[in-house]
Amino acid sequence: GQNIDQPTEMTATEGAIVQINCTYQTSGFNGLFWYQQHAGEAPTFLSYNVLDGLEEKGRFSSFLSRSKGYSYLLLKELQMKDSASYLCAVRDRSGNKLVFGAGTILRVKS
Amino acid sequence: GAGVSQSPRYKVAKRGQDVALRCDPISGHVSLFWYQQALGQGPEFLTYFQNEAQLDKSGLPSDRFFAERPEGSVSTLKIQRTQQEDSAVYLCASADGQETQYFGPGTRLLVL
Repeated sequence: GQNIDQPTEMTATEGAIVQINCTYQTSGFNGLFWYQQHAGEAPTFLSYNVLDGLEEKGRFSSFLSRSKGYSYLLLKELQMKDSASYLCAVRDRSGNKLVFGAGTILRVKS
Repeated sequence: GAGVSQSPRYKVAKRGQDVALRCDPISGHVSLFWYQQALGQGPEFLTYFQNEAQLDKSGLPSDRFFAERPEGSVSTLKIQRTQQEDSAVYLCASADGQETQYFGPGTRLLVL
């Protein structure tokens, strides 16, 4: 089976940097995804890691360590619009379905 | 280009009623997925299509749930004899093969 853990809630200040961690235990691994989901909206793709290391995309970066079963999403220069739920998901061995964590609700305050 | 669309956006059903939820994937995407998302939780996998073939239905919670994609594009998720525990957001996603999955806005189902 697969188990994805991430913190339930985090609060950060506008303009700051925040790191959202995700740990996973899986019977197979074929990539890790981060999605952003605003309340009542569709999850929106942010990043994808399949090899160890850091992937940077503008204000967002994502890191993966396969040996540790660990990833993080780093958000820089936080804006109020970054308040959302951030979902960590592992793609299973078949390369088809995604297994999601429960999501981390990020609140950005001014 | 157009993203994934779903209809209806909201559905209220009486317990025991049958419902049908529609998904229009991104044009040309061969892979289509259905997920169920309970309040405060991440999406949970229901079923997967590659073109018209349903290759994985391991996540369907009971035989009341049925999905089809007869022509390899539009898909319908049908729930028969709805129960209160079926209340959730039903998300559809499509992908170009095994690439990134792009999600629709979901159908919010409330069973009374």
